[in-house]
Amino acid sequence: GQQLNQSPQSMFIQEGEDVSMNCTSSSIFNTWLWYKQDPGEGPVLLIALYKAGELTSNGRLTAQFGITRKDSFLNISASIPSDVGIYFCAGQLTEYGNKLVFGAGTILRVKS
Amino acid sequence: DTEVTQTPKHLVMGMTNKKSLKCEQHMGHRAMYWYKQKAKKPPELMFVYSYEKLSINESVPSRFSPECPNSSLLNLHLHALQPEDSALYLCASSLYLSYEQYFGPGTRLTVT
Repeated sequence: GQQLNQSPQSMFIQEGEDVSMNCTSSSIFNTWLWYKQDPGEGPVLLIALYKAGELTSNGRLTAQFGITRKDSFLNISASIPSDVGIYFCAGQLTEYGNKLVFGAGTILRVKS
Repeated sequence: DTEVTQTPKHLVMGMTNKKSLKCEQHMGHRAMYWYKQKAKKPPELMFVYSYEKLSINESVPSRFSPECPNSSLLNLHLHALQPEDSALYLCASSLYLSYEQYFGPGTRLTVT
């Protein structure tokens, strides 16, 4: 089946730092989605990408749809404490029944 | 407005109980989904409804029974659950099957 490799698995952030995470797959997708989930809550959609090569921003967040349609990255600039949580990438393709294929998640923690 | 609501927020039930989870959206979305999520894992798809008809059942045990009474509501009926069914149950909706999904806050289910 389709699989997404999301990295890193976890990372520590210090306020003000830039953060980067990515997802890769051996399969192509026609939509890439990035979600953030806080403990005990549902995932919140951050950015949706629909075209290969597309670069989209949402405030301090920037995400890109890889030109090969097999990867995507998410950058967070000038991180703040409320950025902690779990970030999931998800790919979607009509041929897969439009089911979301999720990455394993990247856990963002604050450096103490 | 991109809100999906779920009730109850928390549910504790015994293995012989019958209970129901409810999900509602008023965004005019025609596709609705049930997911199950274990701690620190990505959501796992259970059921998909499109235009109020069951479109996908991911081989879910019959002790979980979905129902879509109208285009705004989605229920998940629970009966004779096992302790391993304890998880966060998430509802999501999208305008159509190929569009981005918006998740609700989830119901935290504990089976004793």
